[in-house]
Amino acid sequence: GENVEQHPSTLSVQEGDSAVIKCTYSDSASNYFPWYKQELGKRPQLIIDIRSNVGEKKDQRIAVTLNKTAKHFSLHITETQPEDSAVYFCAAKDNYGQNFVFGPGTRLSVLP
Amino acid sequence: DAGITQSPRHKVTETGTPVTLRCHQTENHRYMYWYRQDPGHGLRLIHYSYGVKDTDKGEVSDGYSVSRSKTEDFLLTLESATSSQTSVYFCAISDSPSGELFFGEGSRLTVL
Repeated sequence: GENVEQHPSTLSVQEGDSAVIKCTYSDSASNYFPWYKQELGKRPQLIIDIRSNVGEKKDQRIAVTLNKTAKHFSLHITETQPEDSAVYFCAAKDNYGQNFVFGPGTRLSVLP
Repeated sequence: DAGITQSPRHKVTETGTPVTLRCHQTENHRYMYWYRQDPGHGLRLIHYSYGVKDTDKGEVSDGYSVSRSKTEDFLLTLESATSSQTSVYFCAISDSPSGELFFGEGSRLTVL
């Protein structure tokens, strides 16, 4: 089955700097890659996603890139702000399974 | 936020007792999921449902059962709770297999 790895497990950046979180997946059939943000004590919420027919997607300060050949995808946050502090989860999904397989999460801290 | 509620939100129980967690949605979404969240493991799928009375196992289904007698309700039952089932449980809904997952607020279960 699918296996998703995520690095780093913790990340601290200064406010205004960029943050990058990387995920790798094992199943070449996976074709949908969402990113979820979970603030402390809250539910995970989708922040951006990408499908396998696209290499990059942007939404304001957030972008996701996908390299299907290498089977990895990354989340990029520019001009980080304190409210970006949270745990971020990547996930992978294929057309056949019913399951989103999640990475273990990255705790991002944005220092003022 | 999607109309999805979980109950109870917090529960403390003793080893060997049965526990039922309820997920209720008002979105009429076909797909419903139960995940557990533990530090270092991200979100792991316990069971999911793709319609009324249609359910299947996820990657960590041992010790859990589910039922879905109505579109809006998805119940997770621990027949005999163990300390290893201490976790935060999230219900999620989706209108398609690769659609956005909307999560409930979570249910924190402690098994003593």
